[in-house]
Amino acid sequence: KQEVTQIPAALSVPEGENLVLNCSFTDSAIYNLQWFRQDPGKGLTSLLLIQSSQREQTSGRLNASLDKSSGRSTLYIAASQPGDSATYLCAVCGRGAQKLVFGQGTRLTINP
Amino acid sequence: GAGVSQTPSNKVTEKGKYVELRCDPISGHTALYWYRQSLGQGPEFLIYFQGTGAADDSGLPNDRFFAVRPEGSVSTLKIQRTERGDSAVYLCASSLGLFNEQFFGPGTRLTVL
Repeated sequence: KQEVTQIPAALSVPEGENLVLNCSFTDSAIYNLQWFRQDPGKGLTSLLLIQSSQREQTSGRLNASLDKSSGRSTLYIAASQPGDSATYLCAVCGRGAQKLVFGQGTRLTINP
Repeated sequence: GAGVSQTPSNKVTEKGKYVELRCDPISGHTALYWYRQSLGQGPEFLIYFQGTGAADDSGLPNDRFFAVRPEGSVSTLKIQRTERGDSAVYLCASSLGLFNEQFFGPGTRLTVL
């Protein structure tokens, strides 16, 4: 059974810092991995999708990497801003299964 | 273009009542998913449709939960004899097809008193 873990559970940093959020998964037989952002009381916003054959994806100040063999992904946020404050969730889609398995999320606070 | 929409945004009901939650996927998306999110947790998979048929309902917790997608577009999640433990945010997502990026709606917050 696939399990996804995100560390840390919460992170608070000053504005302008670069930061890394971590995601690990137990079964490396995945089809893809998605990073999402969730604001309080809202749904999920897709940030980046990495296919299993890819090593990384970039969108603006965000860069996500994938090391499938070690079961790890990182989300790098450059030059953080207060508007980046949210909960960040990673989710993996296993081969043969359409469903996403989510981690519990990292609650990020960027202090002005 | 319009994203995934869900109605109602909030639903308060009493224990034992029946509820229906509706999801309108992005136009043209053939795959539709339901997830449930409890406070402080990541979403958990309930059921997935490809077209009109439920391709995987392994996440439905028991037979009080049922979902339909009769015309391959709008889906309804139905919960019978609601229990307080059913209280959660129910999220719907859609994607263009197999293994594509999933796009989520704003969710329905269900509270069972």
